[in-house]
Amino acid sequence: GQSLEQPSEVTAVEGAIVQINCTYQTSGFYGLSWYQQHDGGAPTFLSYNALDGLEETGRFSSFLSRSDSYGYLLLQELQMKDSASYFCALRGAAAGNKLTFGGGTRVLVKP
Amino acid sequence: NAGVTQTPKFQVLKTGQSMTLQCAQDMNHEYMSWYRQDPGMGLRLIHYSVGAGITDQGEVPNGYNVSRSTTEDFPLRLLSAAPSQTSVYFCASSPDRNIQYFGAGTRLSVL
Repeated sequence: GQSLEQPSEVTAVEGAIVQINCTYQTSGFYGLSWYQQHDGGAPTFLSYNALDGLEETGRFSSFLSRSDSYGYLLLQELQMKDSASYFCALRGAAAGNKLTFGGGTRVLVKP
Repeated sequence: NAGVTQTPKFQVLKTGQSMTLQCAQDMNHEYMSWYRQDPGMGLRLIHYSVGAGITDQGEVPNGYNVSRSTTEDFPLRLLSAAPSQTSVYFCASSPDRNIQYFGAGTRLSVL
């Protein structure tokens, strides 16, 4: 099977930079993706890494290192609206290519 | 463009009752899936489909049935509701399994 671990909560102030780490165990996978979920809302797609390295999308960047079984989501210039839960997810290479989610990291942005 | 539409938004059932959660997408995606999310946790895959007529089990399939007669629709059936099935249910569709588009969710309580 697959498993992903993330910190449960991170607190930062407006304008700061936050890095959310995701470590995983898998026998093979296609890529690592990240989703944002506000309280009471649905998850929305943020970023996807198929290859090692950094992917940048505006204030958000995501990184993957297959050799270290590790990835992270970087949130820059934090805004109050970034207060949400962030999930990493792995698309497995085994039959069905199922998507497995981490437990989520709750980010609290303070003024 | 409606995206992924889930009905109902809220539902209360008594133990032993059955019901169907509806999910429809208008993006012509082949891949659709159902997840449940318990408070403070990540999403767990219940069932998924890679196209009309093809379904398979996810991580937590017990107590649920699915069918996929058309590309657009992917209903989830609770056979005999139990309190352990109290959760928020999300349907998702994907063009390539890398990016999932989620519906707004169905909040289910089983008494």
